[in-house]
Amino acid sequence: DAKTTQPTSMDCAEGRAANLPCNHSTISGNEYVYWYRQIHSQGPQYIIHGLKNNETNEMASLIITEDRKSSTLILPHATLRDTAVYYCNTMGSGSGNTGKLIFGQGTTLQVKP
Amino acid sequence: GAGVSQSPSNKVTEKGKDVELRCDPISGHTALYWYRQSLGQGLEFLIYFQGNSAPDKSGLPSDRFSAERTGGSVSTLTIQRTQQEDSAVYLCASSLGARYYEQYFGPGTRLTVT
Repeated sequence: DAKTTQPTSMDCAEGRAANLPCNHSTISGNEYVYWYRQIHSQGPQYIIHGLKNNETNEMASLIITEDRKSSTLILPHATLRDTAVYYCNTMGSGSGNTGKLIFGQGTTLQVKP
Repeated sequence: GAGVSQSPSNKVTEKGKDVELRCDPISGHTALYWYRQSLGQGLEFLIYFQGNSAPDKSGLPSDRFSAERTGGSVSTLTIQRTQQEDSAVYLCASSLGARYYEQYFGPGTRLTVT
């Protein structure tokens, strides 16, 4: 099961920033936070991951709190194509890690014109 | 370059028949994963390959499910004696290795068992 909690749904106006929260209060020291999204009828798509420092790539920014118990995914200028289910989870980086993804219910983000 | 491809894109089969689903990962990706997603449900892990070995097959739901990978590349997921509850979208993903968080997914095979 996913070890995170996310709001079930959120709305965002097109062109505005979308801020998606994720709670991972039981995260352990060697676990990364990762985000994927799934647009309707498509396979999941990797967005970003991070350990403790904030991360940014061409898709999004990831802000992780200092205690690492929560994080926020930021889509700086949401477009209609960003409407999707967004999944957050944690995964260890040790040698026993198989990399299998576990998704909870995620947050359904609806970007509105 | 080419992404992950899967075939067929759709498969309708009768209950009790065997089916084979194919996955062509991105060239050079050593890790390969099979997942499935039932209608309105989350992602369910099935099996993980590192090269041609499957160190984690804990997600296979029954012994009717098997998978192999050859040449460190193509993988085939076989479902024997299909049941209606096997109906789902079967997704394949590949990555540079288990320690890489970025997995690339194929478009999936929609399996319908009638």
